Formats: sequence, C-alpha cells, structure tokens
Amino acid sequence: DQQVKQNSPSLSVQEGRISILNCDYTNSMFDYFLWYKKYPAEGPTFLISISSIKDKNEDGRFTVFLNKSAKHLSLHIVPSQPGDSAVYFCAAKRRGIQGAQKLVFGQGTRLTINP
Amino acid sequence: EPEVTQTPSHQVTQMGQEVILRCVPISNHLYFYWYRQILGQKVEFLVSFYNNEISEKSEIFDDQFSVERPDGSNFTLKIRSTKLEDSAMYFCASSGDAYNEQFFGPGTRLTVL
Repeated sequence: DQQVKQNSPSLSVQEGRISILNCDYTNSMFDYFLWYKKYPAEGPTFLISISSIKDKNEDGRFTVFLNKSAKHLSLHIVPSQPGDSAVYFCAAKRRGIQGAQKLVFGQGTRLTINP
Repeated sequence: EPEVTQTPSHQVTQMGQEVILRCVPISNHLYFYWYRQILGQKVEFLVSFYNNEISEKSEIFDDQFSVERPDGSNFTLKIRSTKLEDSAMYFCASSGDAYNEQFFGPGTRLTVL
C-alpha cells in the first residue's frame, strides 16, 4: 500500500534552521492530512493537520503546506530545536465519508536536529 | 491533559496462545481504533469501532482478531491464536468524532515466540 509516501527516510538539520519534511500521496479521494511525531517507545503524537480546502495551516513553529494538484504536502518547522528530533509521519484520510475513518500512514522520516 | 493509555507495555507469548491488549481511550471520545507497526514498517490500520460495533476493518483484521468495549472505559483487542508474524507494536487510538485527528496511546509491544 503506497498511497502515502515519504521518500526521505532521514533528514539532518542544524538547530535554529528550517526543517522541511515532505510527503506525497496518490489517492485523490484523501481530503484531510495530518502530521504526527513519534519518539522511541511512545505512540504517535498529533502535531498539525490540514483540510483539502486549504493550502496552508500554521501552528506556532509548525506550518503544513498542501499542493493538491501535485498531491504533495510538506511540514515546515521554524526554528528547529533539539527536542524536534523524532520520527515524523504523514497520514491521510477520506474525511467526508462516514465510516471510512482510517488513517493511511507514510513510512516516516527521522529528523535529527544538530546543535 | 487527557491521554490514551495501554496495558501491558510489553507482552510476550507463545505461538498459538491468545492475547488481549487493553486500552483506555480518552474519556469523552466516541471512536476507537487499533493500529499496528511491524518493526521497520509503516503504521497500519487494523480496525475502527463506534457505537459498539466495527465501522471499518482492514484485510489484516481476520477472524483471529476481535475487539470489544466491555465497559464504559476499556477497549480491547484480542488475538485468538497468535502467529509469529503478529509480533509488532499495537497502538490504540481514539477520537471525538469521525473527521478529525486521532490520539494515540503509547503502544503495546507484542512478541510472539
């Protein structure tokens, strides 16, 4: 199942700089997208989401951009902090369909923030 | 801040044995989910549960799996006869509605020997 893809398994960024994590999807029926952060031995923690009717959503240091025509979304973290080091998962769902509530996850990108 | 809890954190079992993984969702949530992550692979959806019945399940969720909400607070996943390939992290999640974000528990690591 390759409906959601994160092509970069890892990313290393200097503290204070911008981190950009990318995600592509193939299912045009997806209309809600989420980013989760995961530390070792913990469950995924919800970070930020975006509906397909928007192209940008911002929450503090985190901004998600959605390009529907390219079926691409990205998560920007500015400025990056050491505590941001984790695995980041992109997920998608078909929000408008009652019963079809499942999240489809990407493979994850391991972000390392270097001091 | 309310959170999803799961017990046990680690379960070791012999192949063919039954296991029950337990979850306490966030108290005012109505939708409950199980996902799993085999080591090195994606987080995969197993099942969603609403109004005391399964609302969606994946092809992974075969007759060996079942879910139950035995009381007002717990949500369980039972695997009747475990196989080696059931070894994974199992995550419970809950949400207040069908449309928005799901909140995940810390997971149960199931090891089948």
